[in-house]
Amino acid sequence: RKEVEQDPGPFNVPEGATVAFNCTYSNSASQSFFWYRQDCRKEPKLLMSVYSSGNEDGRFTAQLNRASQYISLLIRDSKLSDSATYLCAVNIPGQAGTALIFGKGTTLSVSS
Amino acid sequence: ETGVTQTPRHLVMGMTNKKSLKCEQHLGHNAMYWYKQSAKKPLELMFVYSLEERVENNSVPSRFSPECPNSSHLFLHLHTLQPEDSALYLCASSQGVARSSDGELFFGEGSRLTVL
Repeated sequence: RKEVEQDPGPFNVPEGATVAFNCTYSNSASQSFFWYRQDCRKEPKLLMSVYSSGNEDGRFTAQLNRASQYISLLIRDSKLSDSATYLCAVNIPGQAGTALIFGKGTTLSVSS
Repeated sequence: ETGVTQTPRHLVMGMTNKKSLKCEQHLGHNAMYWYKQSAKKPLELMFVYSLEERVENNSVPSRFSPECPNSSHLFLHLHTLQPEDSALYLCASSQGVARSSDGELFFGEGSRLTVL
């Protein structure tokens, strides 16, 4: 089983739609979880951290399910500008610093 | 000035060349990383430096040689690369010390490498 897995998509949705992405991780001891956004030919940038209790930032909601070892990202009222690749990142215990392992990313395309 | 800067942004080299990628972070972080991003593959962690000490070498071929002279600078020395090494090489930094479980990674814009 790969360390971090995501459905690559693409997810093609109209403006205003609600879309959800899941990401599964293999190491049950992982403690830190993040969603990054990567635009075409750009570097990844942090979208939001994922906390145990779940967290919301405007139209974006992230949740963690430790029992099933997955995290999710929900985007409500999609905008054209949300079109990007969304990367799930998980820390792997035992590695120094905050080295994160990334999924392949899920591509979202929002159309008018 | 961006927090993490990488040079060069683009590099084309032959298999017998020797070149280096440079990364500099202006965020006061104490951990730096090299990641490789190839088409249709996830970001692959290559090297981790914490407080200028290499703490992770993720089974990277010896034709890639990292160097971290201080907490602000990180290099990736390249020699006798193969065409399959063509990829985007991303440098990142974080305010993380050993075993820290917090911390966001800040990425540079990457160096796009093409090996002919």
